[in-house]
Amino acid sequence: GAVVSQHPSWVICKSGTSVKIECRSLDFQATTMFWYRQFPKQSLMLMATSNEGSKATYEQGVEKDKFLINHASLTLSTLTVTSAHPEDSSFYICSAPPPVNTDTQYFGPGTRLTVL
Amino acid sequence: SQKIEQNSEALNIQEGKTATLTCNYTNYSPAYLQWYRQDPGRGPVFLLLIRENEKEKRKERLKVTFDTTLKQSLFHITASQPADSATYLCALDRGSTLGRLYFGRGTQLTVWP
Repeated sequence: GAVVSQHPSWVICKSGTSVKIECRSLDFQATTMFWYRQFPKQSLMLMATSNEGSKATYEQGVEKDKFLINHASLTLSTLTVTSAHPEDSSFYICSAPPPVNTDTQYFGPGTRLTVL
Repeated sequence: SQKIEQNSEALNIQEGKTATLTCNYTNYSPAYLQWYRQDPGRGPVFLLLIRENEKEKRKERLKVTFDTTLKQSLFHITASQPADSATYLCALDRGSTLGRLYFGRGTQLTVWP
């Protein structure tokens, strides 16, 4: 079945550095992907919608210059956390909308970011 | 603004019993509602989707109801097993693009032998 993968599964970085997270749809094409963030014991919060061939759409309160999104192809979206700070430490999860004629929405396994 | 509440943070039940989880929402009329399972350190796994014009949906031991008047969904796991222990998330569509979701905080279910 359809699978969404993420890389890396976890990353530790120093404050001020940038981190790139990849999200791939493995056996289907996704013109749209979604990026969520989840803090411990909290709900998943939608950060942005990644659109292949056009700019990402960011949710209110999400800094577009800090969270750079690039939808390079129909199977790859990347999220770059620029100048990361400890408060950016979180669980980042991507998702692809249901393939045609299905209801199943696929989520990636998540990337745990820890900023020291 | 949109608000989603799941009835409790934690629910503990004995193996073999039926677990019932509640999702209430306000200030919105979603076209559909979804339930997910999330294990620690993992991404959510889709379980069921129910549309606004559907009252009930079943899948194996799972049953979901959707009452748009009460703005509530109930999620049932019958004949529960320890392997069902996980956090269960309720999610509503945000309109516009298919797949944009509001999530509840989840209910952590523990099924003990």
